[in-house]
Amino acid sequence: SQQGEEDPQALSIQEGENATMNCSYKTSINNLQWYRQNSGRGLVHLILIRSNEREKHSGRLRVTLDTSKKSSSLLITASRAADTASYFCATPLGNKLTFGGGTRVLVKP
Amino acid sequence: DAGVIQSPRHEVTEMGQEVTLRCKPISGHNSLFWYRQTMMRGLELLIYFNNNVPIDDSGMPEDRFSAKMPNASFSTLKIQPSEPRDSAVYFCASGGPSTDTQYFGPGTRLTVL
Repeated sequence: SQQGEEDPQALSIQEGENATMNCSYKTSINNLQWYRQNSGRGLVHLILIRSNEREKHSGRLRVTLDTSKKSSSLLITASRAADTASYFCATPLGNKLTFGGGTRVLVKP
Repeated sequence: DAGVIQSPRHEVTEMGQEVTLRCKPISGHNSLFWYRQTMMRGLELLIYFNNNVPIDDSGMPEDRFSAKMPNASFSTLKIQPSEPRDSAVYFCASGGPSTDTQYFGPGTRLTVL
């Protein structure tokens, strides 16, 4: 069963624009993670936000977490063509990490 | 550090053949995970090990799948006999606690004809 679900499923933007994607989950968590997957590659960990944190930054990435709404958002600012990838949120479910279906982001030059 | 290493990167085999996928985790990581990714089902956890011991294999599809971790630096995922529906990309990942950051290998793309 999936704990987290990303929205939208796909996103197309122009280079330089911001990209925002959301993740909703069902049960209480102690952390939420975002991963990126470029075509044909493995997943790469981007950022982990703990349940007692509301916002976290890493370079051009900004992640928010709202535990009352059971949701998180990932914002990529000033997007580049190299940001074209699928982005997954991952949340703990029991003793496992479960991944959503991902948001496919296309950044057009 | 070389990261998680998987081999082979691509495997094409015929239905009924045995397939063995290999993984070398990052040194010092005590958890190892095997995932399968398909368009239809997304990323599924098959099994994970902690300190070389299988902890949860509830995601293993059926008895045709088996996984071993004989030591801290090596794991295998075996499919015998393989079927066309096993065609997918199989990822190995390693990390610390099972719900913390995971580091993925490049994957093995398996095609069963």
